[in-house]
Amino acid sequence: DAGVTQSPTHLIKTRGQQVTLRCSPISGHKSVSWYQQVLGQGPQFIFQYYEKEERGRGNFPDRFSARQFPNYSSELNVNALLLGDSALYLCASSLPRLAGAEDTQYFGPGTRLTVL
Amino acid sequence: SQQGEEDPQALSIQEGENATMNCSYKTSINNLQWYRQNSGRGLVHLILIRSNEREKHSGRLRVTLDTSKKSSSLLITASRAADTASYFCATGSSGGSQGNLIFGKGTKLSVKP
Repeated sequence: DAGVTQSPTHLIKTRGQQVTLRCSPISGHKSVSWYQQVLGQGPQFIFQYYEKEERGRGNFPDRFSARQFPNYSSELNVNALLLGDSALYLCASSLPRLAGAEDTQYFGPGTRLTVL
Repeated sequence: SQQGEEDPQALSIQEGENATMNCSYKTSINNLQWYRQNSGRGLVHLILIRSNEREKHSGRLRVTLDTSKKSSSLLITASRAADTASYFCATGSSGGSQGNLIFGKGTKLSVKP
């Protein structure tokens, strides 16, 4: 079975530009979460979407937005890019919480964003 | 902000030795998970331990959880060069949503052949 896929793999943008990152979850997974990982740090939670609704939001500015589509894929948008937005952006999918279900998140390979 | 800290930040051992990494966290948790990351790529889930569990095994991995001390440890036995990676603990808070994991800064493990 295919794992979580993300596109593009690498991206170079300049300050002030906008970027859209894409994620396809594992088949059957309805929840998608986005994380930002700056070099040398652990991932930081940005958003969670479940059934096309936002379920959680981390401490990120309004320049960051996301959405989930009917097929459960998701996009992360970042406007007015800053140098500090350079990072690895990770998408993770999981099953919805059911009785006895584990909260394991499965991560994609990430998109490396460089802002010049 | 990070939930807690892994300790040590870096660890270098010889193949065949055991590697122990520790994780501390700050808030009440529903579960604690360990992930591995190779060279800045995606994270690979290793093991999940629930807040009502004290120890869990998976192959060469052994995880312990002490909720009274808000700490966990990951033991990799008989390490291999392929175990070289960064290891992160992540917590799912008891009051938070399922998809919101809080990660530590990680331990960078180097296993020398």
